Amino acid sequence: DGGITQSPKYLFRKEGQNVTLSCEQNLNHDAMYWYRQDPGQGLRLIYYSQIVNDFQKGDIAEGYSVSREKKESFPLTVTSAQKNPTAFYLCASSTGTEGNSPLHFGNGTRLTVT
Amino acid sequence: GESVGLHLPTLSVQEGDNSIINCAYSNSASDYFIWYKQESGKGPQFIIDIRSNMDKRQGQRVTVLLNKTVKHLSLQIAATQPGDSAVYFCADTLHGSSNTGKLIFGQGTTLQVKP
Repeated sequence: DGGITQSPKYLFRKEGQNVTLSCEQNLNHDAMYWYRQDPGQGLRLIYYSQIVNDFQKGDIAEGYSVSREKKESFPLTVTSAQKNPTAFYLCASSTGTEGNSPLHFGNGTRLTVT
Repeated sequence: GESVGLHLPTLSVQEGDNSIINCAYSNSASDYFIWYKQESGKGPQFIIDIRSNMDKRQGQRVTVLLNKTVKHLSLQIAATQPGDSAVYFCADTLHGSSNTGKLIFGQGTTLQVKP
């Protein structure tokens, strides 16, 4: 089955440590996205990538970094500079990059930093 | 600024009744709208979408209505079932290369289905 796989489902880290969240898709989609979701709120865009080796900042990119070395993979690193890293992180992909195709989401990684 | 909002944070309906979830958007230039369903601990699941050149679109047990005059979007679920219990998000976006698929999400409405 085609889809988006995020791992791990739960992640615990100590404050001050960097942590990398994995996102893999086998949908052959060009565009990939990272969103952050906080309790009772909508999704906020962290980073997105339209094509391999290219990515752009979203609305809340500070304290995060990404890479897009392969079409299938778009890992997100939460750095120690991110002030409130505890959240539910969602990766998504889409065929189009012009805002006219739905995003397909993974099942998320819940990150807890103490 | 641009925002997408839902009128009610929680909606409670009886099993078998129809559900209507509402959403208001602020950007009159938005031309593509999506409804997502999110179950606890999972990622959002695509339900239905609609483009601004339409005012109604139907899927299986779901209908989306778009009123561009008042910038209002609604999702109707027929014969609501317990499996419909979830958080529902609307999202909009502006077509064009500068926007590159950046969906703007509302805060979500929790649908509770009573047996």
